[in-house]
Amino acid sequence: AQSVTQLGSHVSVSEGALVLLRCNYSSSVPPYLFWYVQYPNQGLQLLLKYTSAATLVKGINGFEAEFKKSETSFHLTKPSAHMSDAAEYFCAVSDDTGGFKTIFGAGTRLFVKA
Amino acid sequence: GAGVSQSPSNKVTEKGKDVELRCDPISGHTALYWYRQSLGQGLEFLIYFQGNSAPDKSGLPSDRFSAERTGGSVSTLTIQRTQQEDSAVYLCASSLVLMAGGRGETQYFGPGTRLLVL
Repeated sequence: AQSVTQLGSHVSVSEGALVLLRCNYSSSVPPYLFWYVQYPNQGLQLLLKYTSAATLVKGINGFEAEFKKSETSFHLTKPSAHMSDAAEYFCAVSDDTGGFKTIFGAGTRLFVKA
Repeated sequence: GAGVSQSPSNKVTEKGKDVELRCDPISGHTALYWYRQSLGQGLEFLIYFQGNSAPDKSGLPSDRFSAERTGGSVSTLTIQRTQQEDSAVYLCASSLVLMAGGRGETQYFGPGTRLLVL
């Protein structure tokens, strides 16, 4: 069965610093991977997704993630944090039994300090 | 166009009562999903629909939980005899099905229904 592990339930960075949110997955088939973001008092929205094309995926708001099969990782990065990036970030993997189910990680809350 | 809408936005109920949560997906989206988000937890998959059928009900926590979808559109999640542990935010999402098997589809989420069972 698939699983997603997000290292660190809380991450704090200074404005302008690198953002790195870690995600490791397990899947018995080539995975489809997602990062979703939940801003305060808003619903989840897609940041980016990997669907077996380019391993470096660029998303909205300057975020990107790199699929590394050898490390079973899909870490999310942004070179320079903005205050507006403060939110909760969820990594997810699509079900590997052929269905529509998506497995989400526990989430990482990003704090950005002025 | 309009996004996914859910109602009510908040629901407070007494233990033992039944509740119905409604989801209106984006028009034309054939796949619909229900998740539960408890405080400090990730998203827990409950059920998904492809059209009106629910091929995977494995995430429903107990037989007190049921869901239906009619006309390939609106879905209702019903919780019978609510318990305090049912308190959570219930999220609905919908997606198009453009990719084989639906595995890589982007899900569009509603704002959620915050349920509090006293």
